[in-house]
Amino acid sequence: DVKVTQSSRYLVKRTGEKVFLECVQDMDHENMFWYRQDPGLGLRLIYFSYDVKMKEKGDIPEGYSVSREKKERFSLILESASTNQTSMYLCASTSAGTDRSYNEQFFGPGTRLTVL
Amino acid sequence: KQEVTQIPAALSVPEGENLVLNCSFTDSAIYNLQWFRQDPGKGLTSLLLIQSSQREQTSGRLNASLDKSSGRSTLYIAASQPGDSATYLCAALGTYKYIFGTGTRLKVLA
Repeated sequence: DVKVTQSSRYLVKRTGEKVFLECVQDMDHENMFWYRQDPGLGLRLIYFSYDVKMKEKGDIPEGYSVSREKKERFSLILESASTNQTSMYLCASTSAGTDRSYNEQFFGPGTRLTVL
Repeated sequence: KQEVTQIPAALSVPEGENLVLNCSFTDSAIYNLQWFRQDPGKGLTSLLLIQSSQREQTSGRLNASLDKSSGRSTLYIAASQPGDSATYLCAALGTYKYIFGTGTRLKVLA
């Protein structure tokens, strides 16, 4: 079974703190994604990565950065946390075969971040 | 720009009913469509993946169909149980990324 893990289930941080959210997958997937989920807005893509050291902006990258130094690990960084970044953060991964119709997305359990 | 819509936003049914959840997408150029289940405060669990060349997929009491020409997918749940209570989301894989619907919140009453 594919397993995607996230470093914390719940986090409480203060405004202005630097926050690291980590995601690890054990299926040798090339593609990894960070989303945030807010009531009424659904899932929104923050950043994705299709290879080590590669990253692409999603729909809402402002205020975030990412790091992918190893294939299995994708980190989301909030450089200076703000209250409007209080949200559920979800990490996902997929393989990157030549036939994209087989790409199945697998999610981690989520991190509920509260910024005070 | 791809848009994915799920109607209804919420649904409440008595135990044992068969039910259908709907997912509509505006751009038929998709690679696949995936259905997920999400329990409160948890991540998304993959239920079914339908490739663009397929018409349907089945897993246990779940059956998902795909009609690309009309931009629709349905998730059929047979003999619903209280344990099926959750939010169900669909996601369409386009050229670069997945586009998610906002989900249908299902409550199955015992």
